[in-house]
Amino acid sequence: GAGVSQTPSNKVTEKGKYVELRCDPISGHTALYWYRQSLGQGPEFLIYFQGTGAADDSGLPNDRFFAVRPEGSVSTLKIQRTERGDSAVYLCASSPASGSRDEQFFGPGTRLTVL
Amino acid sequence: GENVEQHPSTLSVQEGDSAVIKCTYSDSASNYFPWYKQELGKRPQLIIDIRSNVGEKKDQRIAVTLNKTAKHFSLHITETQPEDSAVYFCAASMEGNLIFGKGTKLSVKP
Repeated sequence: GAGVSQTPSNKVTEKGKYVELRCDPISGHTALYWYRQSLGQGPEFLIYFQGTGAADDSGLPNDRFFAVRPEGSVSTLKIQRTERGDSAVYLCASSPASGSRDEQFFGPGTRLTVL
Repeated sequence: GENVEQHPSTLSVQEGDSAVIKCTYSDSASNYFPWYKQELGKRPQLIIDIRSNVGEKKDQRIAVTLNKTAKHFSLHITETQPEDSAVYFCAASMEGNLIFGKGTKLSVKP
């Protein structure tokens, strides 16, 4: 079956603009995670959903970042008033269930560049 | 919160040699420790994982060991091949979200 997909693959925006990044998890996976990966670093946790609700949003850096998953499948990460420091690859992952014992399958990422 | 340290940051070996990458974690409640391989410009892919009720796990040329007392775990790759060249990340998890190390860039020279 299809893996995790993310769109767009690349996004270039200007400082101060609003962006939306989309994640389509593997069908049937109830847990969905967002990570951010800067160059030369490991992925950094942002938020995770169990179904429609955000089970843990402790990794969101500030209130400019917000994510939704209204129907328990597709998720959108929203960034307001983008800053140059937001430039990174945003990775989405899904797993069959919540909890720490299920493999997380990653998408290809969205490379965000804020000019 | 959890903190994961990974060493070395770069590792160069000759084809056929073994490679070892080590990680330590801070939170004794962590109970799941996956290792991901990431090739340049690609997504991270799970290569092996271990849970806290197991001390060692092996899958062909790859093995992982876990020492819960010392809070460290290691990845061992034997008979390395050029296609093993990539960045490897360890991670620790307690409640779902993964906390990653900074990665090890492995280069296998033919």
